[in-house]
Amino acid sequence: GEDVEQSLFLSVREGDSSVINCTYTDSSSTYLYWYKQEPGAGLQLLTYIFSNMDMKQDQRLTVLLNKKDKHLSLRIADTQTGDSAIYFCAETENEKLTFGTGTRLTIIP
Amino acid sequence: DAGITQSPRHKVTETGTPVTLRCHQTENHRYMYWYRQDPGHGLRLIHYSYGVKDTDKGEVSDGYSVSRSKTEDFLLTLESATSSQTSVYFCAISESTDRYTFGSGTRLTVV
Repeated sequence: GEDVEQSLFLSVREGDSSVINCTYTDSSSTYLYWYKQEPGAGLQLLTYIFSNMDMKQDQRLTVLLNKKDKHLSLRIADTQTGDSAIYFCAETENEKLTFGTGTRLTIIP
Repeated sequence: DAGITQSPRHKVTETGTPVTLRCHQTENHRYMYWYRQDPGHGLRLIHYSYGVKDTDKGEVSDGYSVSRSKTEDFLLTLESATSSQTSVYFCAISESTDRYTFGSGTRLTVV
């Protein structure tokens, strides 16, 4: 399978912006996704971006896609305690989702 | 999650015993997937199905088999459970391969 890489941990002060980064390898991916997983729960689709887009904004969330560098990022503005979770990026390849390792976001009061 | 249920939610089993996990959907989606989640590895694909009786292997299929005799059910079987198969297992469904819905997960412990 293709490798999708993320940093494992990120700590951010409440009210600051969080930026979670992801690099992927399959340049043919049609969609790239961000999922959120709260403790003991399943995966919740946060947002996704079509591969011909550079940016997508949805309320506090901004997704940036750099296809040349195969780099995807998720910015969460005004980070709140409820944003504490593991965030996974994922790409589609041949009708299958390939996930990154996940980034655990911790909010510092 | 609406339209997809996994059973059981939790299971403890002994090494060497067979185990079957069930994923049931009410959405009539074509594609169904089994993933396992382990710390530091994210979610890795075990097996997937693109229709009744049509299945294929994923990245970590060794020690697992699947069956899909009906559109709504996708079964994952561990023929002889090992401690390395202790994990959280997630089922997912998709119709158009651009939207995926995940179940709540099954936590399996092999002792």
